[in-house]
Amino acid sequence: AQSVTQPDIHITVSEGASLELRCNYSYGATPYLFWYVQSPGQGLQLLLKYFSGDTLVQGIKGFEAEFKRSQSSFNLRKPSVHWSDAAEYFCAVDNFNKFYFGSGTKLNVKP
Amino acid sequence: DTGVSQNPRHKITKRGQNVTFRCDPISEHNRLYWYRQTLGQGPEFLTYFQNEAQLEKSRLLSDRFSAERPKGSFSTLEIQRTEQGDSAMYLCASSPGTGSLEQYFGPGTRLTVT
Repeated sequence: AQSVTQPDIHITVSEGASLELRCNYSYGATPYLFWYVQSPGQGLQLLLKYFSGDTLVQGIKGFEAEFKRSQSSFNLRKPSVHWSDAAEYFCAVDNFNKFYFGSGTKLNVKP
Repeated sequence: DTGVSQNPRHKITKRGQNVTFRCDPISEHNRLYWYRQTLGQGPEFLTYFQNEAQLEKSRLLSDRFSAERPKGSFSTLEIQRTEQGDSAMYLCASSPGTGSLEQYFGPGTRLTVT
């Protein structure tokens, strides 16, 4: 069965520090992978996506993610976190037009 | 492009009542999806439409739930005889369809069943 695991429920980083959010997936075929961000009272906003090709993908707001097939991972990174990045982040895999989401990682940013 | 809109944003209802939510997708998006999100969890797929056809329903969608997209534009999700376990955020998303897998989400409708 398809599944997405985000092992970190909460992460706290200092403003200006680097960030890595982990995502592991279980999927039989070549996955289509996404990262979304959800701020309180806001809808899910697409940060970036991976379909094929270059395994390092760039997204909005300075985020990037790397697809590693051997590790079944699609980790999200940002070199320098801003206070406005505090939100909840969801990894998702597309399975024939349905998204399976991880349970999310809440990011807190310390000043 | 005004994005995906959902109404109402909040709904409080008593157990046993019926509720209906509306979703207006991005215009010309062929696909429309409904998800449910409970506290501390990621969204869970409920159902999706290709134009007016409902193509798939999750096992999460009990007989008390029904969704429609009568003219291939807006969609409604109705819950009959609500239960406290129905309390959740109901999210709608739309997608251009063939050739594009990206889903664009609305702000959601938060349902509280008392």
